[in-house]
Order: sequence, then structure tokens, then C-alpha cells
Amino acid sequence: GNSVTQMEGPVTLSEEAFLTINCTYTATGYPSLFWYVQYPGEGLQLLLKATKADDKGSNKGFEATYRKETTSFHLEKGSVQVSDSAVYFCALFGGGSEKLVFGKGTKLTVNP
Amino acid sequence: GAVVSQHPSWVICKSGTSVKIECRSLDFQATTMFWYRQFPKQSLMLMATSNEGSKATYEQGVEKDKFLINHASLTLSTLTVTSAHPEDSSFYICSAWRGGGYEQYFGPGTRLTVT
Repeated sequence: GNSVTQMEGPVTLSEEAFLTINCTYTATGYPSLFWYVQYPGEGLQLLLKATKADDKGSNKGFEATYRKETTSFHLEKGSVQVSDSAVYFCALFGGGSEKLVFGKGTKLTVNP
Repeated sequence: GAVVSQHPSWVICKSGTSVKIECRSLDFQATTMFWYRQFPKQSLMLMATSNEGSKATYEQGVEKDKFLINHASLTLSTLTVTSAHPEDSSFYICSAWRGGGYEQYFGPGTRLTVT
């Protein structure tokens, strides 16, 4: 079945540092890819998405590019802020299944 | 727009009792609602998919008689944990989907503690 693997956390960075959270997937066909963010005590929010190969999703300074050749969707941000502290989930939808499949989540803590 | 609410946000119940969790799409009609369970420091596990007016489809390993799901309208789905036990303590999250190319919108979650 479909699966998502993302780097294990936790990740701790200083403010203004560069962030990369790796995500790779296994799926048949051409799934859509997502990054969700969960702030402390809150539900999941869609951060960005990409629906086909080479698409770049971006939002709030975060970016991720759908790389079919490497089956990856790595999340990046050039300069993180304290307010970015949250748990980030990579997910896919489609690729033979009408279910969202989540990675295990990566907790990010940004210190001032 | 696209707000999903859950009620209650947290609940404590005694072992053997039942508890109902509501999931509402506040400003759109959801043809499908999903129920997830999230264990501490782990990912979301899909429990079941419910379509308005029909029986829920449960994932493998999820007891349908223990986790009763009702999707009575296009804006409301309920999850009832029957005869709860401490191992049912978890964070339950719902999401609502209007189908097609729309994304799923997630509720804020309900923390259940069974004592």
C-alpha cells in the first residue's frame, strides 16, 4: 500500500536558521502530496500542496517541490521563526487510494 | 471559510461508559467525513470513513461495534466510543471533505481520557 516516510524529529533550530524536513513516499500512480502543520493544542492545518510532478507548493515562506524521480516532497524554509514551532506532517492522497496517508510527523522547535 | 468544529475538546470518562464526539462542518456541506486517532508522538491513523446517509467504512483492525459512527447530515458526524476502556484514551480528530478537488478540513481534535 501507499506510505510516507519523513525524517524523525525532534528538530531544534535557532531563529532565522534554514529548515529542511525530508519526506519520501511510495505510491502507485500519481498521488497529490501535502504538508500539514499542527500547532500545540490545535488540529491540522494544510500548509501547502502539490498535485503533479515538478509542482512547487508554497505558503508562509515554506516550500516543497514534488519530485517524481526521487519520490520526494521535502519541506524547506529559508529563515524559521519561533512561531513556526509545531509538528509537521507529510501526507499523500490518491495514487490508487482515496485516503490521506500521513507520515509520522516531525516536531520542530525554534528557539529565539 | 471551511471551518470544522469538534465537541467536546476534551472529555474524561469512567471505564465502561460511553462517550459521544461530534464533528461539524460549519460553513460547508461535507459529503464525506473521516475519523482519525492520534497516539502521543505518532501519526494519525484513519479509523473510518463516513458518507452522509450510509454506513461508515471502517479500517482494518478498528472495531465497528466499539466505535459507532453516525453521519446523519451533510454537516454533522458523530463518533461514539462504547464501553470505553483506558486503552481507548487518545486524541480523536475528524476531517470533512466536500469531494472532488477540495482538500480535507480538519477539526481541532478531542482528547479522550478514560479512567
